Amino acid sequence: GAVVSQHPSWVICKSGTSVKIECRSLDFQATTMFWYRQFPKQSLMLMATSNEGSKATYEQGVEKDKFLINHASLTLSTLTVTSAHPEDSSFYICSASSEETQYFGPGTRLLVL
Amino acid sequence: DQQVKQNSPSLSVQEGRISILNCDYTNSMFDYFLWYKKYPAEGPTFLISISSIKDKNEDGRFTVFLNKSAKHLSLHIVPSQPGDSAVYFCAARFTGANNLFFGTGTRLTVIP
Repeated sequence: GAVVSQHPSWVICKSGTSVKIECRSLDFQATTMFWYRQFPKQSLMLMATSNEGSKATYEQGVEKDKFLINHASLTLSTLTVTSAHPEDSSFYICSASSEETQYFGPGTRLLVL
Repeated sequence: DQQVKQNSPSLSVQEGRISILNCDYTNSMFDYFLWYKKYPAEGPTFLISISSIKDKNEDGRFTVFLNKSAKHLSLHIVPSQPGDSAVYFCAARFTGANNLFFGTGTRLTVIP
């Protein structure tokens, strides 16, 4: 199957700093990528849909100024958590669409102190 | 409003037996369904999918059944292996859309 990578896999930062997470499709081009968030023992929550060359579409309740998404190329989307706070600590997962299936990255664990 | 539901949060099965994971959905406009497997601190791994025009799709030990009239799908794993122990998510998608609607997951434990 298609491979999606995420970097970094772990981030620990101080409150108030910004954190950038990269999502790459390694062996295919993805015009659409997705960013999810997962809280402990809960399902994946779609945060936003990232479209190459255009603005991301955010789900209701997700602050677009807080979670900046850039999809600069067909293989790379970035999520920047701006001015991170402890409540932003979570597991962030990206996915990329190839044909009819979404393939997920390994996730990024963010811990904000 | 949860449009895709997995009502069993956990399931334990003996190694070698069949595991049956269930999923229900409320929106009849969903036309494509997927199952993902997820280990802790990892992203979900795609397992198997089924289009709404089919009622069964098989891939090795994994078979997905779709009952559109009941808005129900199930994933059968046989024989179950200890390495199958993970959380399984079902997901659904509308025609022409890319975003998926996920269930809450079922934790499968296969006992050696």
